Amino acid sequence: DAKTTQPNSMESNEEEPVHLPCNHSTISGTDYIHWYRQLPSQGPEYVIHGLTSNVNNRMASLAIAEDRKSSTLILHRATLRDAAVYYCIPVARGDKIIFGKGTRLHILP
Amino acid sequence: GAVVSQHPSWVICKSGTSVKIECRSLDFQATTMFWYRQFPKQSLMLMATSNEGSKATYEQGVEKDKFLINHASLTLSTLTVTSAHPEDSSFYICSARPDRGRTEAFFGQGTRLTVV
Repeated sequence: DAKTTQPNSMESNEEEPVHLPCNHSTISGTDYIHWYRQLPSQGPEYVIHGLTSNVNNRMASLAIAEDRKSSTLILHRATLRDAAVYYCIPVARGDKIIFGKGTRLHILP
Repeated sequence: GAVVSQHPSWVICKSGTSVKIECRSLDFQATTMFWYRQFPKQSLMLMATSNEGSKATYEQGVEKDKFLINHASLTLSTLTVTSAHPEDSSFYICSARPDRGRTEAFFGQGTRLTVV
């Protein structure tokens, strides 16, 4: 399994953009980069995933480095409801999803 | 779309009894479902991968006779904690992966198990 490195915690002000980094230098060429988040006392929530190109959806954007050794999850306008633990996970097609420690995001009102 | 329902949300049981947790994919079929447990202030730990119509694959260190997993249909998997003990108290979470070659998975809301 590819190892990931994420900051333990980050802070951001409400209504400002948030950039959550993830290093995955040992990622396989066929691994997708997944992002999930977990709000307190809830199961994780799928956020976004991509392979090589940048991806956008209604929740966030995913910027993937050209060498695929890192990626950044972008929340365009953080709200208090975005306070959660964010997990970056490389996943091969058909493979299991292994969670690391993630980044705890604090949103300041 | 992509809703996974887990039931019950919380349960309290006595030591020595068994508890069954259900995980249903409501609007998609899932050949593969995953079961996790999470202790306070820790990340999710994968317990087993459940495949419809075949035996589950357990992670190292997880007792398959204690945590019975059944995946009888493409929309339902169950986890039974047998002869529960206080140390089994935890937050149990299931997830389901839609078929047709997709890699992402969707998660249930979790079940808080307390064994007294």
